[in-house]
Amino acid sequence: EAGVAQSPRYKIIEKRQSVAFWCNPISGHATLYWYQQILGQGPKLLIQFQNNGVVDDSQLPKDRFSAERLKGVDSTLKIQPAKLEDSAVYLCASSGHRGRTGELFFGEGSRLTVL
Amino acid sequence: KQEVTQIPAALSVPEGENLVLNCSFTDSAIYNLQWFRQDPGKGLTSLLLIQSSQREQTSGRLNASLDKSSGRSTLYIAASQPGDSATYLCAVSPGNTDKLIFGTGTRLQVFP
Repeated sequence: EAGVAQSPRYKIIEKRQSVAFWCNPISGHATLYWYQQILGQGPKLLIQFQNNGVVDDSQLPKDRFSAERLKGVDSTLKIQPAKLEDSAVYLCASSGHRGRTGELFFGEGSRLTVL
Repeated sequence: KQEVTQIPAALSVPEGENLVLNCSFTDSAIYNLQWFRQDPGKGLTSLLLIQSSQREQTSGRLNASLDKSSGRSTLYIAASQPGDSATYLCAVSPGNTDKLIFGTGTRLQVFP
């Protein structure tokens, strides 16, 4: 079974530029999460989708971050314009358990460096 | 607000030692607790998931315990090996939401 796929693995941009990350969850998983992991810290949830609907985006900086999950499968996370403090690893995870948290499967992440 | 703390932040041990990693959380109203492993430059791999009604879970050389009332969990690694070197993260699912709240992790190094 294929795991969670993310791209690109690495991205370097200058501040005020834009960037987009893509995630393809495990086939059949209804729940998709985007987490931000700053160096030396644990992951922090940015947004959670159930199929193509948003369940929780309370910690998403909506003035610069946006995410969508069209057709309830792939998802894209966009940052525009980027700030220095956005340098982090962006992790996508999916879960097959509907409604309650079960086991999460993570992708390898997309590492963003903002100069 | 739920907060998760992991102690120690880093640990270095010789191969073969048994070791304990600690995780504490401030709100005992959790749905489950999970332990993850993260290798450098990689994503997270789920090791053990303990439901709130359970006291412990075991997988191979790993044993995780949960004491909800005191807000604590421990991950016990028996007969550590160099391949166990990684960062170990603890995460709780608050009782009224589906999201995971992570600790900052324990960076483990096992040397030959």
